[in-house]
Amino acid sequence: GAVVSQHPSRVICKSGTSVKIECRSLDFQATTMFWYRQFPKKSLMLMATSNEGSKATYEQGVEKDKFLINHASLTLSTLTVTSAHPEDSSFYICSARESGTGYSNQPQHFGDGTRLSIL
Amino acid sequence: AQTVTQSQPEMSVQEAETVTLSCTYDTSENNYYLFWYKQPPSRQMILVIRQEAYKQQNATENRFSVNFQKAAKSFSLKISDSQLGDTAMYFCAFMNYFGNEKLTFGTGTRLTIIP
Repeated sequence: GAVVSQHPSRVICKSGTSVKIECRSLDFQATTMFWYRQFPKKSLMLMATSNEGSKATYEQGVEKDKFLINHASLTLSTLTVTSAHPEDSSFYICSARESGTGYSNQPQHFGDGTRLSIL
Repeated sequence: AQTVTQSQPEMSVQEAETVTLSCTYDTSENNYYLFWYKQPPSRQMILVIRQEAYKQQNATENRFSVNFQKAAKSFSLKISDSQLGDTAMYFCAFMNYFGNEKLTFGTGTRLTIIP
């Protein structure tokens, strides 16, 4: 089945550091990937939609300059948390769907998530 | 904008019993998809079942079935013969049929299966 790999699974770093999270579709191409943020015992909140070869579409209230998204290929999207602070600590999850198929055939596939802890 | 509400933060049930998780949603759209996702502890989110709004027949996947009431905007998940491996967070999600495939999630229900 379709696999989405997310790396790293966990990162702990000092305040002010920039952190890059990778999301890869391993056995399919994904024109569109999604980035979510999940707080403890809370739902997933969509942060942005990552589009291959173009700018990401951010949800209202998400700082574009804070959360940089790059989708340079059909199998890789990256989320960079710039100048991270403790309030950025959270669980970040990406998802992807195979390009060129109707949604009734292919749902979104989720990565394992990245737990980010900013000290 | 769409909203998804799961009114049961936590539930528990004995192994082999049947449990129903509730979900309601609000939308002005007529064509959309509804999903139930399962997120086991420290593991990947996986799709349990999905329903197309234009289909009147309720979706089923082995022990999992839904009760889709379009007029009432209700989409409950029934798990039959529950197993220990069903212990997880369950999220109800909505997606417009047309658009950029954004998923709107409910707040989740933490389900514990008791041995």
